[in-house]
Amino acid sequence: DIVMTQTPLSLSVSPGQPASISCKSSQSLLHSDGKTYLYWYLQRPGQSPHLLVYDVSSRFSGVPDRFSGSGSGTDFTLKISRLEAEDVGVYYCMQGIQFPTFGQGTNVEVK
Amino acid sequence: EVRLVESGGGLVKPGRSLRLSCTASGFTFGDSAVSWFRQAPGKGLEWVGFIRSATYGGTAEYAASVKGRVTISRDDSKSISYMQMDSLKSEDTAVYYCTDYSYAYWGPGTLVTVSS
Repeated sequence: DIVMTQTPLSLSVSPGQPASISCKSSQSLLHSDGKTYLYWYLQRPGQSPHLLVYDVSSRFSGVPDRFSGSGSGTDFTLKISRLEAEDVGVYYCMQGIQFPTFGQGTNVEVK
Repeated sequence: EVRLVESGGGLVKPGRSLRLSCTASGFTFGDSAVSWFRQAPGKGLEWVGFIRSATYGGTAEYAASVKGRVTISRDDSKSISYMQMDSLKSEDTAVYYCTDYSYAYWGPGTLVTVSS
């Protein structure tokens, strides 16, 4: 199985400030089809996961442009340019090149 | 609008069985694989298994933690996927989610509690 490692595991950010989460995979997520199957999700308290970014850097429909994904191969980053109160929750990265596996989750709170 | 809704969860004794359903709408269900995930209380997300569309054989794959105890099936005429869970253990206690092939759309989940 591909192991996904997220850092940090928790983050406290003031409203309007940036936040960044790192995700590293134990194997390259670059598929022979040219796509890199790395996803980012936000799970708000009491809700199901909500897709933010797919294929490393493509924002899902309706996701604000303050969210951006980057990276390649085995190293990936999700950035929030200006944190808002509604961004509170647990962020997960997930690889989809093999049977899906997730990072441990990063708990983001507003300071 | 794409929608998936899980149902069938509840309290069940260890060793017993349960069948979960995932009812889909808003997309061509028959053309889509369906994946199942779970999340134990206070824990992270875990892939449980998935079923391919009929175009790709309609076969299923399972995580090692449930292989031999879980069977995923589908009824494309009803746009429903089922997950039959047998020989349930306390460690199967979790909220169970289904998603479409793209992992973009998730249902609200259904809670399975395995306890005597």
